[in-house]
Amino acid sequence: SAVISQKPSRDICQRGTSLTIQCQVDSQVTMMFWYRQQPGQSLTLIATANQGSEATYESGFVIDKFPISRPNLTFSTLTVSNMSPEDSSIYLCSVGGQGLGETQYFGPGTRLLVL
Amino acid sequence: AQSVTQLDSQVPVFEEAPVELRCNYSSSVSVYLFWYVQYPNQGLQLLLKYLSGSTLVKGINGFEAEFNKSQTSFHLRKPSVHISDTAEYFCAVSYLGGYQKVTFGIGTKLQVIP
Repeated sequence: SAVISQKPSRDICQRGTSLTIQCQVDSQVTMMFWYRQQPGQSLTLIATANQGSEATYESGFVIDKFPISRPNLTFSTLTVSNMSPEDSSIYLCSVGGQGLGETQYFGPGTRLLVL
Repeated sequence: AQSVTQLDSQVPVFEEAPVELRCNYSSSVSVYLFWYVQYPNQGLQLLLKYLSGSTLVKGINGFEAEFNKSQTSFHLRKPSVHISDTAEYFCAVSYLGGYQKVTFGIGTKLQVIP
């Protein structure tokens, strides 16, 4: 398995501002994923972040709104840009790939409230 | 493409009673199946997974699930629930060659009543 931490754990932000969420894992992993969980909803994949390449975004998510960095095999960031109240969600990162047995392991999530 | 259906959005059950949370999936290829649990204000924790082999899979906290290919189901069971099992449970599916993309069900809220 893998141990994943996220910063910040929660934040309250004003509309129009941006927030960068950090995801740190305790071992080198091939794949990192970013999810959004809107209130009362299931998880929706935003993008897949592989080290050394551009992130791959799912339908409905764009790089300008959710820029992602993956500078090495243990770290990634997701920025939520120009926020609106509709961006209020839990944002979760997860890891997977070789050595993790076809399984994704999740971080504790970042709870974001946009006013 | 695959999809996951969790038939019950909420399941109330008395403490020490058995529980079954239902999950059905749809896929045209062989799948990997997972159950995750989300406690209040926490991230997702892996309960158990089916990749291959025995269709009865045992997980943490006394949970188990059975993969039924003919019925395309992966129901989660526990013979006796505890108050601490109150949480939301997500069924999820991925497939070989799918770059580990996981599709989640909508979740089932298990409420254990003392």
